[in-house]
Amino acid sequence: AQTVTQSQPEMSVQEAETVTLSCTYDTSESDYYLFWYKQPPSRQMILVIRQEAYKQQNATENRFSVNFQKAAKSFSLKISDSQLGDAAMYFCAPLYGNKLVFGAGTILRVKS
Amino acid sequence: EAQVTQNPRYLITVTGKKLTVTCSQNMNHEYMSWYRQDPGLGLRQIYYSMNVEVTDKGDVPEGYKVSRKEKRNFPLILESPSPNQTSLYFCASSSPSGGPYSTDTQYFGPGTRLTVL
Repeated sequence: AQTVTQSQPEMSVQEAETVTLSCTYDTSESDYYLFWYKQPPSRQMILVIRQEAYKQQNATENRFSVNFQKAAKSFSLKISDSQLGDAAMYFCAPLYGNKLVFGAGTILRVKS
Repeated sequence: EAQVTQNPRYLITVTGKKLTVTCSQNMNHEYMSWYRQDPGLGLRQIYYSMNVEVTDKGDVPEGYKVSRKEKRNFPLILESPSPNQTSLYFCASSSPSGGPYSTDTQYFGPGTRLTVL
């Protein structure tokens, strides 16, 4: 079975600081995409960042970046200059074919 | 505006009363999917459709039906809802990746909160 582990149920960060959310996954696939989605209290699923597994270069999207280590099957999300609006549940989700496989999520709290 | 819409957004019903949750997308996406979200489990795929009249089971299909008669619509049907189907439901859509993968980024609807008493 393809599994995704987000080992941090909750994280806290001070406003303007940097925080890293961890994700590991288990797959025998060689080609796939990986995503981080954000779910604020509104429950909407919002795409944060996307990584193609065959690309060695880590994806970056403004204050969000990833550390993708394919051999280790690790896909962490770094949020720089944290803002109050970043407070949400964050899900790591590899895409295998047509199915996203989600981790249990990490709740991020941002302190002012 | 490109979007995925779901209706209703909230629904409280009773065991055994058939219901349908609608999903529609205006992005001309071939692929559509239903997920359910439960605490501590993330989202799990219920059913998916690669195109009109093509549907298949995901990881948790029991108790659900789907149909894909039009490209833009992908309704989720619960013919005899039970309390264990109380959950938050998401519809998603995507285009084919054009590469070695089947689909690319999935865009989600706003979610439907279903409570079965």
